[in-house]
Amino acid sequence: DVKVTQSSRYLVKRTGEKVFLECVQDMDHENMFWYRQDPGLGLRLIYFSYDVKMKEKGDIPEGYSVSREKKERFSLILESASTNQTSMYLCASSSATGGLQYEQYFGPGTRLTVT
Amino acid sequence: QKEVEQNSGPLSVPEGAIASLNCTYSDRGSQSFFWYRQYSGKSPELIMFIYSNGDKEDGRFTAQLNKASQYVSLLIRDSQPSDSATYLCAVKNVNDMRFGAGTRLTVKP
Repeated sequence: DVKVTQSSRYLVKRTGEKVFLECVQDMDHENMFWYRQDPGLGLRLIYFSYDVKMKEKGDIPEGYSVSREKKERFSLILESASTNQTSMYLCASSSATGGLQYEQYFGPGTRLTVT
Repeated sequence: QKEVEQNSGPLSVPEGAIASLNCTYSDRGSQSFFWYRQYSGKSPELIMFIYSNGDKEDGRFTAQLNKASQYVSLLIRDSQPSDSATYLCAVKNVNDMRFGAGTRLTVKP
């Protein structure tokens, strides 16, 4: 079974702090994604990566950066946390060879609260 | 205009009934379509995917796709209280996958 793990389930940070969210997948997937999920807004793509050291902006990249130094690990960085970044953050991965069956496997999520 | 639209609900059905969840999408180039189930406080898990027009059945679940109408649906037969969750529709085009905001389903015993 595919396993996607995230470093924390719950995180509380203060405004202005630098925040690191880590995601690791064990299925040798090429593609990795970071989403945030807010009530009524669904899943919104922050950044994604199709390969090591490669990154692409999603729909809402402002205030975030990412790092992918190894294939299995994709990190999301909040350079200076703000209260409007309080949200559920979900990491996902998928195989590049999935074809039409392009299933994304999700991690358990990190609920981040910025005070 | 949202790219993937779902009725947010809540949709409430009695136990044993058929629950019908609907999704429309705007990109005619979309290739494949997914239904994810998300329990409260949990991450989404895939229920079904479909990429050809028509119906696809898996146990109590049937996905229906009509590309001409840009419409995909999920039917849950013999609904159980354990089916109570938010159901996310996801649409894949050439470059990425787009998610709807989800429909919250409640199955009442």
